[in-house]
Amino acid sequence: QVQLQESGPGLVKPSGTLSLTCAVSGGSITSGNWWSWVRQPPGKGLEWIGEMHHGGGTNYNPSLKSRITISVDKSKNQFSLQLSSVTAADTAVYYCARNGRHVLDYWGQGTLVTVSS
Amino acid sequence: EIVLTQSPGTLSLSPGERATLSCRASQSVSSSDLAWYQQKPGQAPRLLIYGASSRATGIPDRFSGSGSGTDFTLTISRLEPEDFAVYYCQQYGSSPLYTFGQGTNLEIK
Repeated sequence: QVQLQESGPGLVKPSGTLSLTCAVSGGSITSGNWWSWVRQPPGKGLEWIGEMHHGGGTNYNPSLKSRITISVDKSKNQFSLQLSSVTAADTAVYYCARNGRHVLDYWGQGTLVTVSS
Repeated sequence: EIVLTQSPGTLSLSPGERATLSCRASQSVSSSDLAWYQQKPGQAPRLLIYGASSRATGIPDRFSGSGSGTDFTLTISRLEPEDFAVYYCQQYGSSPLYTFGQGTNLEIK
C-alpha cells in the first residue's frame, strides 16, 4: 500500500518561501503516476496546487503558478513543493497525494504551515 | 474554470436515514472525470467514488454515485455513525486540472 508523508517547517515568515517534502513509501515515485500537492486553509475547502511526473513534467494551478516549484528527488523517492513570497493567505494544511486516473487516490496525513512573523 | 457548487451546505440527518448530496458544475463535465471524497476532522480526504459512479477500493456499497453533464449526486443509503463528515466533489480536466466543490457538511441530527 502506498503511503505518503509530508515534512517541513510549520512556521514561515511573510515574504519567505514555504518548502515541503513528501516521502513516498510502499511504491516507487517512478511508477508512472503523477504526484500532486493540495492545500486546505483552516476551516475551508480544498485547493489543488500542482502536480509533477518523475520524467520532469509539471502542471500548476494558474492562480499560484508564478510562485510554485514542484520537483522530484528520485534517489530519495520523494517530491517537493516550494511556494515563494508567502502571505497569511497561504496558511493552510498542505497535503501531498498520488494521482490515480483523474483522481487523487492516496493522500498524506497533511502538515499545517502557518505564515506569521 | 469549471466551478462546482455543492448543496446543501449542511445536511442534518440521523443514523439509518438516506443522504443525498448534490454537486452541480458550471459547465458539462465528463462522467469519467467526476469524483467524491470524504473528509473527517483532522484527517486527509479519502476517495469514495471515481468516474461518477464507481466505488473506490474498500468503500461500502451503501455509498453510490450517479449523474452526468452538470448534475451529479452522492447517495448514502443508510447512514452509519462513521459516515458523518464533510464530502467534496472534484472534477478533472479543466484548468486548473483539479477543482473541488466547497463541501457538504453531513452532521448528526
